[in-house]
Amino acid sequence: NAGVMQNPRHLVRRRGQEARLRCSPMKGHSHVYWYRQLPEEGLKFMVYLQKENIIDESGMPKERFSAEFPKEGPSILRIQQVVRGDSAAYFCASSPSRGGSADTQYFGPGTRLTVL
Amino acid sequence: GDSVTQMEGPVTLSEEAFLTINCTYTATGYPSLFWYVQYPGEGLQLLLKATKADDKGSNKGFEATYRKETTSFHLEKGSVQVSDSAVYFCALSAPLVFGQGTRLTINP
Repeated sequence: NAGVMQNPRHLVRRRGQEARLRCSPMKGHSHVYWYRQLPEEGLKFMVYLQKENIIDESGMPKERFSAEFPKEGPSILRIQQVVRGDSAAYFCASSPSRGGSADTQYFGPGTRLTVL
Repeated sequence: GDSVTQMEGPVTLSEEAFLTINCTYTATGYPSLFWYVQYPGEGLQLLLKATKADDKGSNKGFEATYRKETTSFHLEKGSVQVSDSAVYFCALSAPLVFGQGTRLTINP
């Protein structure tokens, strides 16, 4: 069973460009979470999605950031008009259900975004 | 809101030393507690978890006990190895709230 897949692993963008980060959850998982890790810091929750629904986006910046998890295909985290402060590692995690807080989240290898 | 506080790092130990990484939390309700490990350049891997008070999670020689009375979930290992060098994150459920991480280096 393949793990959580993220691509690209490394992404370089110039200020003002758009960044698209992709996440394919583990087979059979329908819940996806996105986290951001700034240098030398812990991970911060951004958004929680199920297929075609955003469940909790309380950690998402109000502007320039959006996320989707379509019926078919990977989840996408989109950052428009990137700025240097967006440089970070972005991790996706998936879980099989939302049935209680004990569900384990399985993490992908992350996408390291560098904004020049 | 919910929060997790971890022992400040970095921590450097010699091989076969005893390890403790402190973790305390603040939460409403009864969260599940997790320890994740991150090796250089990789994503997070679940190390162990506990879902209710007095539960002990264990894996690969690491242990942590969910202490509701002290709101703690300290990570311990009796004899560390060089391969244990990594960053360790304490977290509570879910969506996960992470501590700031503790970088552990084990010298041979």
